[in-house]
Amino acid sequence: AQTVTQSQPEMSVQEAETVTLSCTYDTSENNYYLFWYKQPPSRQMILVIRQEAYKQQNATENRFSVNFQKAAKSFSLKISDSQLGDTAMYFCAFMNYGGATNKLIFGTGTLLAVQP
Amino acid sequence: ETGVTQTPRHLVMGMTNKKSLKCEQHLGHNAMYWYKQSAKKPLELMFVYSLEERVENNSVPSRFSPECPNSSHLFLHLHTLQPEDSALYLCASSPRGDYEQYFGPGTRLTVT
Repeated sequence: AQTVTQSQPEMSVQEAETVTLSCTYDTSENNYYLFWYKQPPSRQMILVIRQEAYKQQNATENRFSVNFQKAAKSFSLKISDSQLGDTAMYFCAFMNYGGATNKLIFGTGTLLAVQP
Repeated sequence: ETGVTQTPRHLVMGMTNKKSLKCEQHLGHNAMYWYKQSAKKPLELMFVYSLEERVENNSVPSRFSPECPNSSHLFLHLHTLQPEDSALYLCASSPRGDYEQYFGPGTRLTVT
């Protein structure tokens, strides 16, 4: 069974600084997707970034980038130039590739607070 | 607005009540999902519908009964719930066979 582990329940960062959120996962599959979702206090879950496991290049979306280490089964999220609006719960998630349904397996989340 | 709406946003119900949660997606997707989010726990997938057919039921108690009358609407019917069922219930949708899920804002359910 696949599992996703986020070992940092809470983190804090100063505005404009850089922060890295950790995520590890366990799977015997070779093809899969990894995601970071953001859930601000408004509760709307928003996709931040995704990575296909077959791609060696790390995904980047503006100030958000990942460090994907497939052998180590590690998928960390780096937020550069942190902004107050980045304050949210961040969830790492895993999905098997090629399924008829898209079952997401989530970690327990990291609560990020951006301080002014 | 992500195109997935949920009503009501908040619901308080007694253990003997019957209520329903509604989810509607305006994205033309054909797969829909119910998740349960409890404090300090990972999101739990409850049900998956693909083309209006239930394709997954993750050992959810029968007091939760899903219904998908068409590809745009998903309901979760609730009856004789327990206090431990208090949680945030999230609906999501995706194009069938695609990997990206779009979430609604959730319904905060409190069972008294």
